[in-house]
Order: sequence, then structure tokens, then C-alpha cells
Amino acid sequence: ILNVEQSPQSLHVQEGDSTNFTCSFPSSNFYALHWYRWETAKSPEALFVMTLNGDEKKKGRISATLNTKEGYSYLYIKGSQPEDSATYLCALISAGGTSYGKLTFGQGTILTVHP
Amino acid sequence: KAGVTQTPRYLIKTRGQQVTLSCSPISGHRSVSWYQQTPGQGLQFLFEYFSETQRNKGNFPGRFSGRQFSNSRSEMNVSTLELGDSALYLCASSSTGFGNTIYFGEGSWLTVV
Repeated sequence: ILNVEQSPQSLHVQEGDSTNFTCSFPSSNFYALHWYRWETAKSPEALFVMTLNGDEKKKGRISATLNTKEGYSYLYIKGSQPEDSATYLCALISAGGTSYGKLTFGQGTILTVHP
Repeated sequence: KAGVTQTPRYLIKTRGQQVTLSCSPISGHRSVSWYQQTPGQGLQFLFEYFSETQRNKGNFPGRFSGRQFSNSRSEMNVSTLELGDSALYLCASSSTGFGNTIYFGEGSWLTVV
């Protein structure tokens, strides 16, 4: 059973603060790590797909890094805005034929940005 | 480009009934997967279809089944509904189901009473 862990479970920050979350996963059989942002009553929004050790990806004020050897990924938000309030999910796809389409999700980090 | 579309969005069923949920993937996507979200369990993988074939299945009882049509649209069925089947069911599509971006629909909220 794959264990994908996210920390912290929840986070409250003030507008303008920068913040980061962690996603930990088993480093063996790694294939890809996905990050999603999920706002209430909407569909999960794909942020990044990360596959290579040392990957760094950026989308606006959000960026992510990946370390497959030690099994973790960081998501950073620079200058948080109230509209960044959402649940941030990471999900792992393992290598191997039994992994088609199978994202194993962490429990998510709930971010609340206060104006 | 239209996103992943799921119908119905909300439904209420009685214990023992069955339910069918529908998913239309993004045009050109051949992989469709289904997930269940309950408050205690988070997002759990149900199954994945690619070109009408089930390639992968999660750890759910046989009451949960699915299929995919030649146009890549997919349905999932839950028979003999139990109270614990009350959940948000999400459909996702991608071109390969593996290392590329996987896009989600808004989900179907099922309440079993």
C-alpha cells in the first residue's frame, strides 16, 4: 500500500505571506507526481506534473520542486492572496503496469489566506 | 475545449437501489478513471479504462463496476447501494493515463438514504 503524506494538514496565513507545503512519498517505483488545487464546489485543477529528480516547475506565484531520491516534493506560494485559499493535493503515480490512471492521493493541505 | 463533464451532478438514492453515473472526457482523451471521495478516506481510486478496456482496478467490492464506450465516454455503476456509498464520485481523463496531465470533472454527489 502506497503512503502519500502531506503536511501540514491545514495552514492559515495572512495575505502577502509566502508559504510552502510538503508531500512525502515512497521513493521506490516512482513515475510521476501530480499537484492539484481544489476549491470548494469546483473540479480539482491540475497545477504540475513532475517526473524528473530535481524538477522545478512554476506557474505564476506557485512553484514546485521534486526530490525522487529522498521521496518528497515542495509546493511554494509566493505572496499568498485570498483567492489561493483551497485544498492542495499531491498524487503519486508509480511505475509498473498496475499503475495506469491510478493516482494515489495524499490527504491534502487546506490553505486559508486571510485578507 | 470542453472539460470533463459528469452527469448527474447531484442525486439521492435509497439503500438497495442501483445508480449509474456518466462521464464525458476531454475530446481526444482515451483514458478515463474514477475516484470516490468520502470525508474519512480522501480520494480513492476506483478503476481506469483505456480504449474500452479496464486496465486497472482499485480495492472496491464487485458492486462497483464501469465501462467505456467507443467514443471514450464512460459510465460507472453501483448496485445494491449502501449508506456508506454516499460520496463524491470524480471522473478524470487524460490522453494516456500515465505521466501526462490528468484532468478532473466537478463530480457527482451521491447521497444514499
